[in-house]
Amino acid sequence: AQSVTQPDIHITVSEGASLELRCNYSYGATPYLFWYVQSPGQGLQLLLKYFSGDTLVQGIKGFEAEFKRSQSSFNLRKPSVHWSDAAEYFCAVRNQGGKLIFGQGTELSVKP
Amino acid sequence: DAGVIQSPRHEVTEMGQEVTLRCKPISGHNSLFWYRQTMMRGLELLIYFNNNVPIDDSGMPEDRFSAKMPNASFSTLKIQPSEPRDSAVYFCASSLQGARETQYFGPGTRLLVL
Repeated sequence: AQSVTQPDIHITVSEGASLELRCNYSYGATPYLFWYVQSPGQGLQLLLKYFSGDTLVQGIKGFEAEFKRSQSSFNLRKPSVHWSDAAEYFCAVRNQGGKLIFGQGTELSVKP
Repeated sequence: DAGVIQSPRHEVTEMGQEVTLRCKPISGHNSLFWYRQTMMRGLELLIYFNNNVPIDDSGMPEDRFSAKMPNASFSTLKIQPSEPRDSAVYFCASSLQGARETQYFGPGTRLLVL
């Protein structure tokens, strides 16, 4: 069965520091992978997605993610975090039928 | 362009009452999804439609939940009767049909059943 694991429930980083949020997936075929961000009281916004090709994907707000098939991972990174990046981040895998399966989310706090 | 519109944004009701959540997808999108978000279970897909037809309702918790999409621009999720454990944030999302298409989420309806 398809699944997504985000091992870190909560991460705190200092403003200006680099960030990496981990995501591991379980999926038999080539996965379609997504990262979404949810600000408090808001819906989810797509940061980036991966289907095929270059394994390093650029997204909005300065985020990038790298697909590593050998590790079944799709980690999200940002070189320098801003206070406005504080939010909850969700990794998701989508099967051929179109169903999105989300991880449990990682809450990011940013220290001044 | 307007995004996905959901109403109401907040709903407080008493156990046993009927609750109807509404969603207007982005114009031109032909796939619509209903999700539920809780602390315990995270984000779960309840049901999704392609071209107004329900495709997968395996996530619908039980018969108290029903969803309809009478036309391309409107969908409802109904809970009857509601129970306290239904308290959650319900999101509607829409997309063009296809596994590669991005799902655009509405702001959600925060439901509290007392």
